[in-house]
Amino acid sequence: GAGVSQSPSNKVTEKGKDVELRCDPISGHTALYWYRQRLGQGLEFLIYFQGNSAPDKSGLPSDRFSAERTGESVSTLTIQRTQQEDSAVYLCASSPGTGFNTEAFFGQGTRLTVV
Amino acid sequence: AQSVTQLDSQVPVFEEAPVELRCNYSSSVSVYLFWYVQYPNQGLQLLLKYLSGSTLVKGINGFEAEFNKSQTSFHLRKPSVHISDTAEYFCAVRKDTGRRALTFGSGTRLQVQP
Repeated sequence: GAGVSQSPSNKVTEKGKDVELRCDPISGHTALYWYRQRLGQGLEFLIYFQGNSAPDKSGLPSDRFSAERTGESVSTLTIQRTQQEDSAVYLCASSPGTGFNTEAFFGQGTRLTVV
Repeated sequence: AQSVTQLDSQVPVFEEAPVELRCNYSSSVSVYLFWYVQYPNQGLQLLLKYLSGSTLVKGINGFEAEFNKSQTSFHLRKPSVHISDTAEYFCAVRKDTGRRALTFGSGTRLQVQP
């Protein structure tokens, strides 16, 4: 089947505007993760979903960031009042189970540029 | 908190030469270890993973890695690289308890030159 799909692939927004980033995980995958990758840096964890609940939100950098997930399907990451430091690639990943040894499958990311 | 260190931010190497990309992690408990590759403008793809058993793990594209518990390392190796191996490589770790999200290193840029 299809892999993890993210949209849009690129987003340019003005400082202060709100943006929504979408992730469609692999069908049947119960776990979903959001990461942020700033230019030239590693991946920074944002939030983890198990089903439609988020037991780990510890990586969200501020209250301007929020995310939700519908059942074991689509997730949306919302950034309110965007700032220039929010510019990054936002990556979504999903995993088939709850085990600690399961790998994560990544989407191609959304490149967000705040001007 | 666990952390992952990739000491080399960039590794230039000539085509057909061997390469080793280093990864060290900090954890006093059992861990699962992963190497991912990111080609330009693409998402991350799993190269290989260590879950248990043999400490030498073979992955795709001719890569392999060795888990060394005493040195808390999981270095990635390839005996002969190709131009197409030029990419960013990320080491990641997850403990077997607690936080489920992977913790990533800062990445190593492998630049294969002709």
